[in-house]
Amino acid sequence: GAVVSQHPSWVICKSGTSVKIECRSLDFQATTMFWYRQFPKQSLMLMATSNEGSKATYEQGVEKDKFLINHASLTLSTLTVTSAHPEDSSFYICSAYPGLADFNTGELFFGEGSRLTVL
Amino acid sequence: AQSVAQPEDQVNVAEGNPLTVKCTYSVSGNPYLFWYVQYPNRGLQFLLKYITGDNLVKGSYGFEAEFNKSQTSFHLKKPSALVSDSALYFCAVRDIHNTDKLIFGTGTRLQVFP
Repeated sequence: GAVVSQHPSWVICKSGTSVKIECRSLDFQATTMFWYRQFPKQSLMLMATSNEGSKATYEQGVEKDKFLINHASLTLSTLTVTSAHPEDSSFYICSAYPGLADFNTGELFFGEGSRLTVL
Repeated sequence: AQSVAQPEDQVNVAEGNPLTVKCTYSVSGNPYLFWYVQYPNRGLQFLLKYITGDNLVKGSYGFEAEFNKSQTSFHLKKPSALVSDSALYFCAVRDIHNTDKLIFGTGTRLQVFP
């Protein structure tokens, strides 16, 4: 099946620093990727839809200046948490549809997630 | 707006017994429904989906789900639970009117006891 890879899996940073999380589609091209955030023991909340070659579409309440999304190629989307603070600590998961047919009727494939801890 | 609801935070079942994890949906138009499973500190794994066709959908690891239009439900089932099935289960609906994003339920933790 399609593979979505995230890096890093775990990251610990100091408050005020920026952290970049990469999401790669390994065996397919993804014009659209979705970034989710998951708090402990809670569901996944969509943060933004990442569009290759254009600006991301952010969900209501998500700070676009805090969570910078770049989708520069068909296989890579990055999420940068700028000036991170402890409340940004969370589990971030990216996902993508592996193909046009899948985009129409198929399922999302998810990365393994990146756990961010801000001290 | 599209949404799904999972009324149970946790389901406990003994190994070997049948299990059911409940999900109801609210959509405009035909629903595109999914079940995913999440193990600790991992991403989500796809189990099964309903797009059209037979109401009983079979998926990975022996799981199945029944689409019931009159009850707007899409409950996940397995005839005989395994301890290794213990995980967090999410029902989701695809918002085909808005970027095709998936909207998730709140999740149900399944605990299978030996």
